[in-house]
Amino acid sequence: EAGVTQFPSHSVIEKGQTVTLRCDPISGHDNLYWYRRVMGKEIKFLLHFVKESKQDESGMPNNRFLAERTGGTYSTLKVQPAELEDSGVYFCASSQEWGGSYEQYFGPGTRLTVT
Amino acid sequence: AQKVTQAQTEISVVEKEDVTLDCVYETRDTTYYLFWYKQPPSGELVFLIRRNSFDEQNEISGRYSWNFQKSTSSFNFTITASQVVDSAVYFCALSEVWVGGATNKLIFGTGTLLAVQP
Repeated sequence: EAGVTQFPSHSVIEKGQTVTLRCDPISGHDNLYWYRRVMGKEIKFLLHFVKESKQDESGMPNNRFLAERTGGTYSTLKVQPAELEDSGVYFCASSQEWGGSYEQYFGPGTRLTVT
Repeated sequence: AQKVTQAQTEISVVEKEDVTLDCVYETRDTTYYLFWYKQPPSGELVFLIRRNSFDEQNEISGRYSWNFQKSTSSFNFTITASQVVDSAVYFCALSEVWVGGATNKLIFGTGTLLAVQP
């Protein structure tokens, strides 16, 4: 079974540009989460999808961040326009909603550098 | 508010030593889950263990063991006879439980970098 995949693995962009990160969850997982780790700090929650609906987006830092999950499969996280403080590693995770499987399975992350 | 504290930023040990990674949490919930994840140099977060708030039994899995104590709000992780391959960043995390039984967002600590020297 394929794990959570994320694309790209690295992205270097200039301040003011737009970047779109993609996450493909484990097949059949209704829950999809985005997290971010800024250098040396804790991994922070951004938002949570249940299928295509946003269950909790309390962690989204501001309106420059837009997450979508059309059709309840893969998700994208767009940053527009990017700022220096957006640099960090963006993780995606997925989990099954029902059936007792509570673990969140994480992807390898996308390292975003804004210069 | 929920919070996880990993006071140890970096730990360095020599191979075969035992090492304990500390985790202290804060929550007002009576039902919650605690987790440990490992982040090797390759970058992905690898799930190690989940423990619910009603189960205070310690758990052992090979060289890994976990000590959950509600009285001190701690969920410490011990690696026995450490190996070089254990070198990684280890994160402790807390999650509330929402209706439906599945966990919601994870609240992470800042992580502990473990370096095991040969």
